[in-house]
Amino acid sequence: DGGITQSPKYLFRKEGQNVTLSCEQNLNHDAMYWYRQDPGQGLRLIYYSQIVNDFQKGDIAEGYSVSREKKESFPLTVTSAQKNPTAFYLCASSSSGGGGNQPQHFGDGTRLSIL
Amino acid sequence: GQQVMQIPQYQHVQEGEDFTTYCNSSTTLSNIQWYKQRPGGHPVFLIQLVKSGEVKKQKRLTFQFGEAKKNSSLHITATQTTDVGTYFCAGDQAGTALIFGKGTTLSVSS
Repeated sequence: DGGITQSPKYLFRKEGQNVTLSCEQNLNHDAMYWYRQDPGQGLRLIYYSQIVNDFQKGDIAEGYSVSREKKESFPLTVTSAQKNPTAFYLCASSSSGGGGNQPQHFGDGTRLSIL
Repeated sequence: GQQVMQIPQYQHVQEGEDFTTYCNSSTTLSNIQWYKQRPGGHPVFLIQLVKSGEVKKQKRLTFQFGEAKKNSSLHITATQTTDVGTYFCAGDQAGTALIFGKGTTLSVSS
């Protein structure tokens, strides 16, 4: 059963702590994305990767870091430099080719809160 | 910078009424995509429009892409309670990642 798995579903962070959100896909998609969703703000792009070992900053990359060592995995680290990390984080993936951006498939999300 | 504006932000309708959300881009788009997010869920892809003036239908949903490829709309005929959620448009400008609008949240009372 193909899809995108995000874990954990809920995560709590202490002040000054780094936390890592997991995103795994078995859709054989080349491209993967991380979005942050706040009420009334829509989806804001944090980082995206179009191919293994390569990634680009999105609109709100400050305080976040990513890696793309495997095609299936695109973990997001929320660092202590991100002063307002409380949000709903969504991971997505899409196939490449065909020109332009292909439709994105989203995971169920991780809700991050500050303790 | 590049923006995709979506209006209205919220819309409440009585069941059976029609609903429309509009999406406008500051730049010409190569295509536009629409997604639906149910309360507590994640966005789910609905449709992609590519051609200027294109109109596509999915049962009670009608999607339209403007002639200038800068605007789009989603119209729902005779809303049902199952239509509740937030509808996002996402604009694709060649060479950049998708740009999502802020969404229109639809509530329906029976």
